[in-house]
Amino acid sequence: EVQLVESGGVVVQPGGSLRLSCAASGFTFDDYAMHWVRQAPGKGLEWVSLISWDGGSTYYADSVKGRFTISRDNSKNSLYLQMNSLRAEDTALYYCAKDINPYYYDSSGFHDAFDIWGQGTMVTVSS
Amino acid sequence: SSELTQDPAVSVALGQTVRITCQGDSLRSYYASWYQQKPGQAPVLVIYGKNNRPSGIPDRFSGSSSGNTASLTITGAQAEDEADYYCNSRDSSGNHLRVFGGGTKLTVL
Repeated sequence: EVQLVESGGVVVQPGGSLRLSCAASGFTFDDYAMHWVRQAPGKGLEWVSLISWDGGSTYYADSVKGRFTISRDNSKNSLYLQMNSLRAEDTALYYCAKDINPYYYDSSGFHDAFDIWGQGTMVTVSS
Repeated sequence: SSELTQDPAVSVALGQTVRITCQGDSLRSYYASWYQQKPGQAPVLVIYGKNNRPSGIPDRFSGSSSGNTASLTITGAQAEDEADYYCNSRDSSGNHLRVFGGGTKLTVL
């Protein structure tokens, strides 16, 4: 069964740091780019970050650039999100999501999607 | 950056057809993907690319695109289709960033 399981969400004070993890199973993890997507309580989805299949390329939403770092360990089938300088507005349910395209398929934006999602891990930034 | 705009709420009578739209400049260059999210659950991919449905998604869901607008159509809406729907595409700046629409709450009457 294809599965993503997030962990690491806690209550943290403003200015603090946190590392989220996502454990993947049921597919060839190092064939696919991976994403983090978040959802503030009662709000919509917000794309956060993308990492290529080999970790060589990373991309960030403007709202987290310079504060968050995405990484992966293909030997452990794991995805990570290091979150620094946390703010109240970072409070959200954080999902990891699998890119639908394997690394050898150049979608060029015509075939993009997040086909597998985890159940999310909750991060609360509050004093 | 880029923005995708969705109507906040749409309603449809049981068994009727409903179209949910998503507008944005990036949609002139890229196809949208669509996600269904029910309360307390993770999003589920329902449509991607020109008009592709993942395995297990009923064929009453379809997608289309014209100009700067992408559409998700549900033909013969069922009670279980009541949910929030989000569109997503690449950012219009030409890099790999992604952007979500604000979401549409679909009510099946």
